[in-house]
Amino acid sequence: KQEVTQIPAALSVPEGENLVLNCSFTDSAIYNLQWFRQDPGKGLTSLLLIQSSQREQTSGRLNASLDKSSGRSTLYIAASQPGDSATYLCAVPEGGGATNKLIFGTGTLLAVQP
Amino acid sequence: DTAVSQTPKYLVTQMGNDKSIKCEQNLGHDTMYWYKQDSKKFLKIMFSYNNKELIINETVPNRFSPKSPDKAHLNLHINSLELGDSAVYFCASSPTPGQKFAEAFFGQGTRLTVV
Repeated sequence: KQEVTQIPAALSVPEGENLVLNCSFTDSAIYNLQWFRQDPGKGLTSLLLIQSSQREQTSGRLNASLDKSSGRSTLYIAASQPGDSATYLCAVPEGGGATNKLIFGTGTLLAVQP
Repeated sequence: DTAVSQTPKYLVTQMGNDKSIKCEQNLGHDTMYWYKQDSKKFLKIMFSYNNKELIINETVPNRFSPKSPDKAHLNLHINSLELGDSAVYFCASSPTPGQKFAEAFFGQGTRLTVV
């Protein structure tokens, strides 16, 4: 059964710092991994989808890496801004991806201090 | 132009009532989902439909009944609401599962409060 863990649970950094969020999953047979952002009281915004055959995926100041064999993904945020403050969630499809039933981590609550 | 939209955004109702949440996607996706986010912010799937056919039903009480009139719509009807049903319900859609590029998109959520 797929389990997804995110560390740390919460993170507070000063503006301008580079930071890394971690995501671990127990079953490495995944089709892809998706990173989401959730603002308080809001929905989930898809940030990046990294396919199983990819090692990295970039979007602006965000860079996601994937190491399937070790069951890990990282989300790197460069030059953090107060507007980056949100909860970041990673998710993988269970059972490889046959149903796209996403298994979510518990999230990392990021606060970027101005 | 919202990709996945659900209504209402907020819903406050008394125990025992029946309520519905509607969801529509304009992404042309074949698959739609309902997820529940509990008070601890943990997200868990409830249902999934592919081309109007139910493919996932995650041991949800049968008071919850999803209905998909067409590929672009997936509604959630809840009978005899209980206090424990209070949560945020998210609708989502994705291309047909089993593809590496099958990215899921979520709606803004419906915050249900049962009093």
